[in-house]
Amino acid sequence: DGGITQSPKYLFRKEGQNVTLSCEQNLNHDAMYWYRQDPGQGLRLIYYSQIVNDFQKGDIAEGYSVSREKKESFPLTVTSAQKNPTAFYLCASSAERDRSLDTQYFGPGTRLTVL
Amino acid sequence: QKEVEQNSGPLSVPEGAIASLNCTYSDRGSQSFFWYRQYSGKSPELIMFIYSNGDKEDGRFTAQLNKASQYVSLLIRDSQPSDSATYLCAVIRDKIIFGKGTRLHILP
Repeated sequence: DGGITQSPKYLFRKEGQNVTLSCEQNLNHDAMYWYRQDPGQGLRLIYYSQIVNDFQKGDIAEGYSVSREKKESFPLTVTSAQKNPTAFYLCASSAERDRSLDTQYFGPGTRLTVL
Repeated sequence: QKEVEQNSGPLSVPEGAIASLNCTYSDRGSQSFFWYRQYSGKSPELIMFIYSNGDKEDGRFTAQLNKASQYVSLLIRDSQPSDSATYLCAVIRDKIIFGKGTRLHILP
């Protein structure tokens, strides 16, 4: 099956902890993205990567970090510097490097809760 | 001015009727337009994309784009209870921008 997988589905974090959210795709897509969604809100871009070993900050990158060592994988680390991390995190990918053309497809999401 | 604007709803439509969802955008240079459906607690799934002015039909769904008036709409014919969801409009120029979505409720 081709698609985007995210794990875990649910994640609980204690204050002061760093946690890493996994995102894997086997669609051979070049570009990958991380979004955050809060209740009643739209999607806000955290980071994106158009090619391996390169990534760019989105609109709300503070308190987050990413890596793109493999085309298939784009993990997101939520650091202790992120003051309000409780949210629904969505990973997406698209075939096109040209962001003006891309159709984005989403993984199932990870719901992060800070205890 | 919000870049992509949608009425948050809820929009209530009787089963079997046509549901009409609207989205306006502020950037005249926007090139690509998308509609996603998101069920509660789930991730968005792509329904349709449209690039050119006019209508694009896919089954019960029709996307309509009017670049001069800067709006894009989604019509759902023969609405079903399974269409009850939040519909996100997304617009691309240099980057993709999502609206906050419209909650649609189909009344059985």
